[in-house]
Amino acid sequence: AQTVTQSQPEMSVQEAETVTLSCTYDTSESDYYLFWYKQPPSRQMILVIRQEAYKQQNATENRFSVNFQKAAKSFSLKISDSQLGDAAMYFCAYRSANSKLTFGKGITLSVRP
Amino acid sequence: DAGVIQSPRHEVTEMGQEVTLRCKPISGHDYLFWYRQTMMRGLELLIYFNNNVPIDDSGMPEDRFSAKMPNASFSTLKIQPSEPRDSAVYFCASSLFSFIDEAFFGQGTRLTVV
Repeated sequence: AQTVTQSQPEMSVQEAETVTLSCTYDTSESDYYLFWYKQPPSRQMILVIRQEAYKQQNATENRFSVNFQKAAKSFSLKISDSQLGDAAMYFCAYRSANSKLTFGKGITLSVRP
Repeated sequence: DAGVIQSPRHEVTEMGQEVTLRCKPISGHDYLFWYRQTMMRGLELLIYFNNNVPIDDSGMPEDRFSAKMPNASFSTLKIQPSEPRDSAVYFCASSLFSFIDEAFFGQGTRLTVV
C-alpha cells in the first residue's frame, strides 16, 4: 500500500523568505502523480501544484516549485517570496494508477510579518 | 458548476444516534472520495467510488460506517451508531476519469458527537 509521510508538523518562515516543505512516499509503482494541496483556515482544499512521476523536470507554478527525487521517493515544495496569505496547512498527496488518492498528515505553515 | 456540495456544514449529535452526511459531486466527474480529517491522523481516505461503484473501502474504520453512491450525482456516508471518537471534519471530493486529474473538494462537514 502506498503511504505518504510528512514528518514536520509545523514550520515558520519570515515574510519574503523561502521555505521548503518535505514529503516522502512509499510505492512500488512506476507511474503515478504527486500533488501539493493548501488548506487555509476556511477549510477549503486548494491545489497548489502537481507532478507526474515520468517527468524528470520539476513542476513550477509562479512562486511554488517542487524538488522531485524519484529514486529517493521525495517530493518537497518550495515557496519563494513567502506572503502572509501563504499561511495554511499544506498536504502532500499521492495518486496511483488506479486513481486512489492518499494524503500525508499535513504541515502547518506560519508566516511571520 | 457550483463545485462539490456537502451537507450539512455542521452536525452535532448525541452518542448512539445515526448520522448521514451528503455529497453532490461535480457533474461529469467519475471519481468520488470520502475523507476524514483529524489533528491526530490528518486526512484519511475512507472510501472511493468510480462510476458509482465502490473501489476501495479499506479505510472505513468499522462496520458502523457505510457509504453509498446510488447515482452519479449523489453519495452518502452514514455512521450508525455514532460515537464521540467519530468527531472530525468529513470531506467529499470528486475528480475526472484519470489519475492525472486533480480532486476538487467540498467545504467539509464538521461532525461533533457528544
